[in-house]
Amino acid sequence: GAVVSQHPSRVICKSGTSVKIECRSLDFQATTMFWYRQFPKKSLMLMATSNEGSKATYEQGVEKDKFLINHASLTLSTLTVTSAHPEDSSFYICSARDGTAFNYGYTFGSGTRLTVV
Amino acid sequence: AQSVTQLDSQVPVFEEAPVELRCNYSSSVSVYLFWYVQYPNQGLQLLLKYLSGSTLVESINGFEAEFNKSQTSFHLRKPSVHISDTAEYFCAVSDTGGYQKVTFGTGTKLQVIP
Repeated sequence: GAVVSQHPSRVICKSGTSVKIECRSLDFQATTMFWYRQFPKKSLMLMATSNEGSKATYEQGVEKDKFLINHASLTLSTLTVTSAHPEDSSFYICSARDGTAFNYGYTFGSGTRLTVV
Repeated sequence: AQSVTQLDSQVPVFEEAPVELRCNYSSSVSVYLFWYVQYPNQGLQLLLKYLSGSTLVESINGFEAEFNKSQTSFHLRKPSVHISDTAEYFCAVSDTGGYQKVTFGTGTKLQVIP
């Protein structure tokens, strides 16, 4: 079945630095990828939708300049948290949709636990 | 726009007992419905989905959910739970067109008691 690989699984960074999270579709082409943020005991909040070769569409309230999303190829999307602060600490999850198959099950990555100290 | 309501944040149940996790949705358009399971510090795994056809859908590990359009519900059930079913369960909905953005409920933590 479809597999999405997300790296790193855990990262600790200092306040003010930037962190890049990668999301790769391993055995299918992902024309659309989604980035979610999950707060403790909360649901997943969609941050942005990215389409290969075009700018990401951000949800209301999400800072575009802080959460940079790049979807440069059909198998890779990256989320860069710029000038991270402790309040950015969270669990980030990517999701990819196979654009070539009738599969609306959206495959999720294993998530990245970001801790900003 | 859609919304999903999972009224139960936690559901404790004894092993081998039946369980039902409730999910209600709101949408002005046709929808697809999903249940995802999340184990600690992991991403989400698709448990089952309703796209069209039979309103009763089943997963490979004994869960089932029934789409009830009149009650706008998609409750998840299992006749006999195992310890390994302990996890967070998310109900989700997407529209059937456009980018099919998925909206999640707040999740229900199923705790199976031995």
